[in-house]
Amino acid sequence: GQNIDQPTEMTATEGAIVQINCTYQTSGFNGLFWYQQHAGEAPTFLSYNVLDGLEEKGRFSSFLSRSKGYSYLLLKELQMKDSASYLCAVALGGGADGLTFGKGTHLIIQP
Amino acid sequence: DSGVTQTPKHLITATGQRVTLRCSPRSGDLSVYWYQQSLDQGLQFLIQYYNGEERAKGNILERFSAQQFPDLHSELNLSSLELGDSALYFCASSPGPPHNTEAFFGQGTRLTVV
Repeated sequence: GQNIDQPTEMTATEGAIVQINCTYQTSGFNGLFWYQQHAGEAPTFLSYNVLDGLEEKGRFSSFLSRSKGYSYLLLKELQMKDSASYLCAVALGGGADGLTFGKGTHLIIQP
Repeated sequence: DSGVTQTPKHLITATGQRVTLRCSPRSGDLSVYWYQQSLDQGLQFLIQYYNGEERAKGNILERFSAQQFPDLHSELNLSSLELGDSALYFCASSPGPPHNTEAFFGQGTRLTVV
């Protein structure tokens, strides 16, 4: 089976930095995605990594190490609106274009 | 607004019934994906269509089926509904292979089976 693990819940303070980790063991790998999802709403795309290293996009950065099966999402200058679930997902490749998602990390931002 | 349209937004139906969920992809996108999201399972990939043809299957039950029409909209049919089928059903679209770009999600259909 496919395993994608991320913490269930994290709490951070407004203005601070938080790192959400994701580890994966999958039968294939064709890229790792991070999505943000507010309760009851659609997931929205944050980042995509297919090569090792750090991708930066504004306040959000994502890192990938394929040899370790590890990724993290780094959120800087946290805002209250960043309170949401963050979903790590792997594209398995080999013609399997659907994403395999982790169960998500519920991030709570406190004032 | 992602450009992906799903109807209806909410659906309440009884066990044993059959429902159809509809999805219109973003203009120009050829791939449509269906996902199920329940509280305990998270987002689960069900099935993908590309330009009218089934391309990949995930954890889709035999009671469920889908199709993509020539105008590229897609329908997900759920039959012999059970209480456990209550979930949010999302449709997503992307340009399709070989480009492994991000998929854009619709707002979902919340299905409640009573």
